Amino acid sequence: ILNVEQSPQSLHVQEGDSTNFTCSFPSSNFYALHWYRWETAKSPEALFVMTLNGDEKKKGRISATLNTKEGYSYLYIKGSQPEDSATYLCAFSADSWGKLQFGAGTQVVVTP
Amino acid sequence: GAVVSQHPSRVICKSGTSVKIECRSLDFQATTMFWYRQFPKQSLMLMATSNEGSKATYEQGVEKDKFLINHASLTLSTLTVTSAHPEDSSFYICSARSGTSRQTQYFGPGTRLLVL
Repeated sequence: ILNVEQSPQSLHVQEGDSTNFTCSFPSSNFYALHWYRWETAKSPEALFVMTLNGDEKKKGRISATLNTKEGYSYLYIKGSQPEDSATYLCAFSADSWGKLQFGAGTQVVVTP
Repeated sequence: GAVVSQHPSRVICKSGTSVKIECRSLDFQATTMFWYRQFPKQSLMLMATSNEGSKATYEQGVEKDKFLINHASLTLSTLTVTSAHPEDSSFYICSARSGTSRQTQYFGPGTRLLVL
């Protein structure tokens, strides 16, 4: 994989349900994987920066896992709430200079 | 903490004019700032990296004479789109990296540019 790919492109979730989605990235020259949450008309909010294979990080009801050997990361939302509605972006970096290669995002819509 | 502002949030200009976009880190010093562009239905694409006090580094395919970047202080970077044309219409967004958290980039809210 040469690009960063996110799937699905969008998903609808019923309030209270849990969901997850994927970010695939190049498995070579890995330095870090970033997750952002982006609500319309706001700044993207940094959720996680993950660097080690097997990393699991959690922030409230949101968590993420990382597999650098196979080049994927999952983001999980437990007990989705309407305020979780946003586009979730992942970004791959191959070095410490900070150049981020973004996926196109997964748009999550949580309906009451 | 770690707030980045961007101004203006949207701008409409005539073809051939220049537009300046400001990116400010409000509560931290940003040694490095990044400028991205996003066309509809596409990913954020890095345009350039700027370090305070030095020339910006542009990504392949980005014209440095068209997109002038100045990073004169640790809290301000500007992107000037010179002689803008309709194909420059896009969403421009900046990010800044704190010296204390080198990996996390904090983003501004972006600027929507429409060139008529």
